[in-house]
Amino acid sequence: RKEVEQDPGPFNVPEGATVAFNCTYSNSASQSFFWYRQDCRKEPKLLMSVYSSGNEDGRFTAQLNRASQYISLLIRDSKLSDSATYLCVVRGNNRLAFGKGNQVVVIP
Amino acid sequence: NAGVTQTPKFQVLKTGQSMTLQCAQDMNHEYMSWYRQDPGMGLRLIHYSVGAGITDQGEVPNGYNVSRSTTEDFPLRLLSAAPSQTSVYFCASGRGASGSTDTQYFGPGTRLTVL
Repeated sequence: RKEVEQDPGPFNVPEGATVAFNCTYSNSASQSFFWYRQDCRKEPKLLMSVYSSGNEDGRFTAQLNRASQYISLLIRDSKLSDSATYLCVVRGNNRLAFGKGNQVVVIP
Repeated sequence: NAGVTQTPKFQVLKTGQSMTLQCAQDMNHEYMSWYRQDPGMGLRLIHYSVGAGITDQGEVPNGYNVSRSTTEDFPLRLLSAAPSQTSVYFCASGRGASGSTDTQYFGPGTRLTVL
């Protein structure tokens, strides 16, 4: 089983709509969780950390479910500029494990 | 701050050639790492360093060497390039000795093709 699994998509989202996707992780001892954003042919950049109680940053909401070992990202009121690949990142064993990413395409 | 810089941006090698990918950061970060990104594979950790003079292997270290003589620089050396090493290489850095608990700052990447 892969350490971090994501459905690559693409997720085609009408502008203004809401999109949500999950990421599952295999190591129950994982300690920290993040979402990174990667634009086409660019480097990944931190979008947000994911906290146990869930957290929000503007139109973005992240949730952690330790019992089921998944994290989620929800994007409200999607903008064209949200088109990107969203990488789920999990820290365990003193290193980071990256998922393959969820590709989001926001359609006008 | 320039952040994390990588050179070259693009490189084409022939099988068997060696080369060094350069990475430098000016944020005084202890933790630095190298990843490769292949289509459908996500980022995979090659080597990492928790401080000057200390390096360790990641998930896919074979065919690569690293050294960390200064806090700022973390070069990645391909010993004898193979077509399987065609990839995009990202260097990243983070604060603290464990580093991986903190935000990772990535360089712009090096696109390497091995013929």
